[in-house]
Amino acid sequence: AQSVAQPEDQVNVAEGNPLTVKCTYSVSGNPYLFWYVQYPNRGLQFLLKYITGDNLVKGSYGFEAEFNKSQTSFHLKKPSALVSDSALYFCAVRDRAGNNRKLIWGLGTSLAVNP
Amino acid sequence: KAGVTQTPRYLIKTRGQQVTLSCSPISGHRSVSWYQQTPGQGLQFLFEYFSETQRNKGNFPGRFSGRQFSNSRSEMNVSTLELGDSALYLCASSLSGGGTYEQYFGPGTRLTVT
Repeated sequence: AQSVAQPEDQVNVAEGNPLTVKCTYSVSGNPYLFWYVQYPNRGLQFLLKYITGDNLVKGSYGFEAEFNKSQTSFHLKKPSALVSDSALYFCAVRDRAGNNRKLIWGLGTSLAVNP
Repeated sequence: KAGVTQTPRYLIKTRGQQVTLSCSPISGHRSVSWYQQTPGQGLQFLFEYFSETQRNKGNFPGRFSGRQFSNSRSEMNVSTLELGDSALYLCASSLSGGGTYEQYFGPGTRLTVT
């Protein structure tokens, strides 16, 4: 069965420090991987995606994510966190194989960046 | 380009009533997905429509239904409302269902069932 895990419900980091939000997945074939962010009282926004090619993907607001096939992970990273990065982050995966192309979502990780 | 719009933004209903939520996708987008978001359950997938056909369906009871019109606008209906249906209902559109396309979300409809 396809699944996505975000092992940390909450991540706390000091402003200016690097941040990592973890995501691991399980699909039967090769994945398309996505990160979305939900700021307080705002809608979900697309951050970045991995489709193919370079394992390091760069996205909006200085975020990047690294696809690791052997570890089936797609961790979100940022070299220097801002207070304004505080939000709810969702990882999602879609199996590119087969007819079922439903997008599977993680439960979300709440990121708090402390000044 | 206008974003995804959802109406109404807020709704208060009583148990047993039914409700219809509306979603207008980004112009040119043919796929519309619906999600239920609650604090403890994250994003729960309801269904996805593409070119007026339901392509995928989540694990919700038959009280939850949807449809898509020829202009890609979509509606979802919940009949016989229960207290547990209180949630934020999100609509998302994408160029095409499946594949590499990211989804663009509307602001949501906050449904409260009393």
